[in-house]
Amino acid sequence: AQSVAQPEDQVNVAEGNPLTVKCTYSVSGNPYLFWYVQYPNRGLQFLLKYITGDNLVKGSYGFEAEFNKSQTSFHLKKPSALVSDSALYFCAVSSPSGNTPLVFGKGTRLSVIA
Amino acid sequence: KAGVTQTPRYLIKTRGQQVTLSCSPISGHRSVSWYQQTPGQGLQFLFEYFSETQRNKGNFPGRFSGRQFSNSRSEMNVSTLELGDSALYLCASSLEAANYGYTFGSGTRLTVV
Repeated sequence: AQSVAQPEDQVNVAEGNPLTVKCTYSVSGNPYLFWYVQYPNRGLQFLLKYITGDNLVKGSYGFEAEFNKSQTSFHLKKPSALVSDSALYFCAVSSPSGNTPLVFGKGTRLSVIA
Repeated sequence: KAGVTQTPRYLIKTRGQQVTLSCSPISGHRSVSWYQQTPGQGLQFLFEYFSETQRNKGNFPGRFSGRQFSNSRSEMNVSTLELGDSALYLCASSLEAANYGYTFGSGTRLTVV
């Protein structure tokens, strides 16, 4: 069965500084990996997805994620954080077949301080 | 195109009552999944429906049930509500399966008093 770990409950970063939100995964076979963002009292919004190919995936709002197979990691990054990036971020993994549901990490709350 | 629509957005119920939540997926999406989100437990998978059949089921008691109609719209029902059922219930639709990714609705905030 697949699993996801987000080791940090909270990440604080100053506006303008680079940010990283960490994620590690476990799955049999080649993973399908996702990042979602959630704003208060809203559903989750898709940021980006890794299937195969280039290890650096670019997504919405200037976010990108780096896939590292040897470390089974898929960290979310942004070169310059904005106050509006403050939200709850979820990493998720799917099996290659997709016939089991997406498994989500517990989420990391990002606070960007002006 | 229209997104995933969940109704109602907010709901207050009394212990022991039952509740039905509705989800209309994106047009053409055949898979609908339901998740329960609470501060302590994160996102917990309830069930997934595909072409009117339950394809996956999470580890929830039988009080939680769902169904999917021929137009892919889905409902979930919780009977004999408990205080611990208070949560944000999220519906997610996908074209075929989880590896396509999900599009989420805004959720239904259920409060049990």
